[in-house]
Amino acid sequence: GESVGLHLPTLSVQEGDNSIINCAYSNSASDYFIWYKQESGKGPQFIIDIRSNMDKRQGQRVTVLLNKTVKHLSLQIAATQPGDSAVYFCAENTGGYNKLIFGAGTRLAVHP
Amino acid sequence: DGGITQSPKYLFRKEGQNVTLSCEQNLNHDAMYWYRQDPGQGLRLIYYSQIVNDFQKGDIAEGYSVSREKKESFPLTVTSAQKNPTAFYLCASSKLQGGSYNAQFFGPGTRLTVL
Repeated sequence: GESVGLHLPTLSVQEGDNSIINCAYSNSASDYFIWYKQESGKGPQFIIDIRSNMDKRQGQRVTVLLNKTVKHLSLQIAATQPGDSAVYFCAENTGGYNKLIFGAGTRLAVHP
Repeated sequence: DGGITQSPKYLFRKEGQNVTLSCEQNLNHDAMYWYRQDPGQGLRLIYYSQIVNDFQKGDIAEGYSVSREKKESFPLTVTSAQKNPTAFYLCASSKLQGGSYNAQFFGPGTRLTVL
């Protein structure tokens, strides 16, 4: 399959632990943020989004935290499973209609 | 099944050839996008379209062309002018609602290799 992110930062966790993936965004005017999961050879899969009028949003086993003061976004995955192993991208809307800017990604490796 | 389909999954091109990548969606989304992904990098926007018969250049449009004759379809042509076309190409679509931003949903991708 496609090798995505050959030299990406990697977060290694044990199965069952909680994972926290961080992202620093670039534009203080950005008001919409998305986290995507990408498995090798596949397209990115939407996980969760958050608008700038919120600082926290929860989904199933995932939580996104937004700190606008320091332009920081994080994705927390509870009880990490082997199926969570993938590359995770954050994306911000920097203005311009629905134009997203993507970070380089973080590889999550889950060990049994 | 609702979703975005891309074809082919793998495509091989000889030097000097134009090739066309297909993208179809049945989500009734207004906007469609093409991205390029290279190893170790995030996605870069090639072209996007918010409405039928209209499209705009993204950050790396040189050597590419698109059309949007139908709401459901947004094909991308990689021309011989694109100097380094080997990459993973991703199509996405999203709703457009009254000025607010919405998530883009992606197809499975096409891997293009120049021989």
